[in-house]
Amino acid sequence: QQQVKQSPQSLIVQKGGISIINCAYENTAFDYFPWYQQFPGKGPALLIAIRPDVSEKKEGRFTISFNKSAKQFSLHIMDSQPGDSATYFCAAPQQTGANNLFFGTGTRLTVIP
Amino acid sequence: NAGVTQTPKFQVLKTGQSMTLQCAQDMNHEYMSWYRQDPGMGLRLIHYSVGAGITDQGEVPNGYNVSRSTTEDFPLRLLSAAPSQTSVYFCASSLTGRTEAFFGQGTRLTVV
Repeated sequence: QQQVKQSPQSLIVQKGGISIINCAYENTAFDYFPWYQQFPGKGPALLIAIRPDVSEKKEGRFTISFNKSAKQFSLHIMDSQPGDSATYFCAAPQQTGANNLFFGTGTRLTVIP
Repeated sequence: NAGVTQTPKFQVLKTGQSMTLQCAQDMNHEYMSWYRQDPGMGLRLIHYSVGAGITDQGEVPNGYNVSRSTTEDFPLRLLSAAPSQTSVYFCASSLTGRTEAFFGQGTRLTVV
């Protein structure tokens, strides 16, 4: 059973547009929600993360929106650029005190120039 | 600063062979983990460690062993390789349970 459900599987956006990726979870004990970015042939790298005591976190063009009651969180990429083309993963920790993550299945983003 | 280093980058094994994937980090991180990445399935946790001498199983531990004798190193052993273990393997480390996990470049393993 997928602990973190991610959609869409793939996304094509025009340069300058907004990319939106959604994730949903069931376990209310999750207390940390990172997003990772992965380029082909590379390992994932942390993009941005949020804790459930805030509803939104923004870092540059990247924003996480968090809806605790709906158990959903989403990544918004404003002014999307071709260099943002990558696979994005949402995640949540498997247990308290450890940084072992349940990952979503990933979203392949393509930004068209 | 090297970060997390995995070796080898590529490996082809025959069914039944054993091998060890190496992982080393130079950031003095207590937490280390191994994941496998398969198309359409994201990354799945194989084994993890919260410090030297302490290891535990993740979601998909069968067919793999780990040990953590030092803070820096966390090798993953495939006991008897099977085609189902064909995957890309990533090692990760982090300072605490809720801080950034740094990933290595991965090892692409093919079992024939």
